[in-house]
Parts: sequence; C-alpha cells; structure tokens
Amino acid sequence: ETGVTQSPTHLIKTRGQQVTLRCSSQSGHNTVSWYQQALGQGPQFIFQYYREEENGRGNFPPRFSGLQFPNYSSELNVNALELDDSALYLCASSFRVTRGEGNEQFFGPGTRLTVL
Amino acid sequence: AQKITQTQPGMFVQEKEAVTLDCTYDTSDPSYGLFWYKQPSSGEMIFLIYQGSYDQQNATEGRYSLNFQKARKSANLVISASQLGDSAMYFCAMRGHRLFGNEKLTFGTGTRLTIIP
Repeated sequence: ETGVTQSPTHLIKTRGQQVTLRCSSQSGHNTVSWYQQALGQGPQFIFQYYREEENGRGNFPPRFSGLQFPNYSSELNVNALELDDSALYLCASSFRVTRGEGNEQFFGPGTRLTVL
Repeated sequence: AQKITQTQPGMFVQEKEAVTLDCTYDTSDPSYGLFWYKQPSSGEMIFLIYQGSYDQQNATEGRYSLNFQKARKSANLVISASQLGDSAMYFCAMRGHRLFGNEKLTFGTGTRLTIIP
C-alpha cells in the first residue's frame, strides 16, 4: 500500500511569484485535504477535494486554489506569493463514506515553502 | 465553530515513565471525532489514535490511550512507558460530523514532548 506523497519537498520562491504543489493520495482514498502549517503553529485547513470538486474551504483568500484529478491526486496553487505564505504545506488523504464520522486522514511528508 | 486548546507548550519526561498530554475542545456539533497526531522533526503528521464522541469506551492503540471525558470536554493522550523515539510535537485535532459539512480537521497549537534518557 502506497502512502501519501508530496512534491517537491522544499521550494524557494520570491514574493509575487506563483507556485504549484502536488500530492498523490494513498491507494484507495478518494478525498484530499490541504493544510498550511506556519512555524510553531498547528496546521490550518485550506480546502478539501472530493470527486474532483472543492468540498469545504478554510479562511484562505482566492489566490489559494486547487485541483483534484480523476486518479484522486491533487494540486495546490498559490498565486501572488506573500512572505506570510512561507510554511509547511501538508496534504492528507482519506476515504469518504456517505454516512458516519468517517476515517482518519493520512498525511504526506509536506512541502516546505519559503518565500523571499 | 470548533476550537482545540493544548495548554502545555513543552514537556520533559524521563524515559520509561508514562506521560499525559492535555487537550480540551469546544464545539456545538452533537457528533464529532477527536484525533491525536505525532509530528517528528521531519514534518510528517503521524496518526496515533481516534475517539468518536459516541464511543462508549476510551480508545487504545498499543502504548497510546485516550482519556475521553465528554462532560469536561477533554481528550487527553496518555503514552505509557515512554521511549526516546516518542520525542516529537503532538497535536490534538477535532472533526465535526460529516453530515454537518465539517470535513476539516481543527488542530491545537501542539505540545513538544522531549524524552530524557
């Protein structure tokens, strides 16, 4: 069973640039969630994708956008990067059932983004 | 809105001792789930244990157990017989019931646990 993978592991960008982060979900999982973890903080929910549609969004501006592909992998895109976007970006996959509180989310190793 | 509070920024524990990490929560959802994750310095969040709000018994997973006190809104993690490899950040998290559209995990600020040889 393949776990959640993310690429790249590290990334350095300058203010104003755009970035795309990638996530491959764990085998059998159909839901992907993205989180931003600033230094010394707990992860903050950005958004979640289920069946290629956004299914819930946290308090992040529209310049944070995403995609989910038919194989359930996902991308996080951030436009017009700001210094405060420097953080660890975590992707988590899970299997969504139609009822119940559902299963735990399994996290990838994260992408550490530095904005200069 | 959901809120998780972890009041212990850091803890130092002697190897082989048991340790309790505190977590209190607040939610208006009638049904919810509580999670604990471990985050080593590598950054990956490792799932440890899950407790459903309607579960009758406290969850256990190997050396991890969750002391769930619903009336007090607390979900403390207990690690028995601590090991050097337990040194990491520990996060408590909550998720509301899917039927209420609360898919996201809400995390606390974490507790840094250091095991002393």
